Amino acid sequence: DAGVIQSPRHEVTEMGQEVTLRCKPISGHDYLFWYRQTMMRGLELLIYFNNNVPIDDSGMPEDRFSAKMPNASFSTLKIQPSEPRDSAVYFCASRKVGSNQPQHFGDGTRLSIL
Amino acid sequence: DQQVKQNSPSLSVQEGRISILNCDYTNSMFDYFLWYKKYPAEGPTFLISISSIKDKNEDGRFTVFLNKSAKHLSLHIVPSQPGDSAVYFCAASTTNAGGTSYGKLTFGQGTILTVHP
Repeated sequence: DAGVIQSPRHEVTEMGQEVTLRCKPISGHDYLFWYRQTMMRGLELLIYFNNNVPIDDSGMPEDRFSAKMPNASFSTLKIQPSEPRDSAVYFCASRKVGSNQPQHFGDGTRLSIL
Repeated sequence: DQQVKQNSPSLSVQEGRISILNCDYTNSMFDYFLWYKKYPAEGPTFLISISSIKDKNEDGRFTVFLNKSAKHLSLHIVPSQPGDSAVYFCAASTTNAGGTSYGKLTFGQGTILTVHP
């Protein structure tokens, strides 16, 4: 079975540019999560979706961040405009419905904003 | 506020011995706990979980213990192997249906485990 697929794996761009991170969840999974990992804050949840609907975006740091899930097999996390402090590893995860189902993570996108 | 804490940033163990990783939590609403393992340049991989109705769950070399009164859980790896060297994250969630907290995981900061041959 294919796992969660994220692209690109690495992104280097200049401050002020728009960045789009992509995620394909595991087929049949109802929940999709976006996380950010930094040295200072560890793994923090940014936003999550249930059946393509955003449920909780309280972790999104600023209005520069937005996330969409147009269908069950695709989600994007967009940063516009990007800033150097957005540099981090961004993970996407998905899980099935059910109270005791673990989240399955992609391998992340390492983002560097110069 | 850190609701899930892993107070040991690192742990070094000899191959064949037991590794014990610890995790404390403060939110009494948490009722489902997980351990993830993470290798460099990869995403966290689910290892083992435990519901709050249990105090122990075992899967091969991995056992998770939960002490609800102390709000403490631990992961035991026996015997430890060099391939177990990774960062281990403890995570917690509430499974109460409804509300935005359902299904969300709160992670600890991680413990780097090094198993020496």
